[in-house]
Amino acid sequence: DTAVSQTPKYLVTQMGNDKSIKCEQNLGHDTMYWYKQDSKKFLKIMFSYNNKELIINETVPNRFSPKSPDKAHLNLHINSLELGDSAVYFCASSLRRGALNTGELFFGEGSRLTVL
Amino acid sequence: GQQLNQSPQSMFIQEGEDVSMNCTSSSIFNTWLWYKQEPGEGPVLLIALYKAGELTSNGRLTAQFGITRKDSFLNISASIPSDVGIYFCAGKNGNDMRFGAGTRLTVKP
Repeated sequence: DTAVSQTPKYLVTQMGNDKSIKCEQNLGHDTMYWYKQDSKKFLKIMFSYNNKELIINETVPNRFSPKSPDKAHLNLHINSLELGDSAVYFCASSLRRGALNTGELFFGEGSRLTVL
Repeated sequence: GQQLNQSPQSMFIQEGEDVSMNCTSSSIFNTWLWYKQEPGEGPVLLIALYKAGELTSNGRLTAQFGITRKDSFLNISASIPSDVGIYFCAGKNGNDMRFGAGTRLTVKP
């Protein structure tokens, strides 16, 4: 079984559309994250949830809205997609949050979003 | 925010050679980590360092947490083709974890 799974793996869409990426972890972890990796491979955190509660919300446009129905799921909805949103989006999880977190993140395989 | 400077940006080496890469910061971190990302995959943790001066090995990989807590290095000995990938350093303080820009490693057989 895949520890952190995200769907879809590839997403090609037109500017202005709304899309969602889903993420599920079966590791029993408390904390989940969304990272954006741009074309230069730079990894930047977007959001972090601990047990369904938002704990990190970096400077991300309001068009991005995370939703965590339970601690095993963290979905990302993007409204009014723009060209600059094209990137690979990684979901990740960790056992604990903050200072209790060892720093080990378990990443999904990524969802490559292409906005035309 | 805290910025991590990772170097080199890329390396092209011959199989069997040793590799060294490092990460520096203007701020201190309580934890340093090294991840590897292979094509089409997410990053995977290689080594985690929790104490200044700590030297930790994982097979052919060795990493050190700098005494000043502002830097870390990763060495790979006797490289093999499957070492190919992007290596990321990461520094962590509490909730805040930052990644370096990555070192892209190519190993020629």
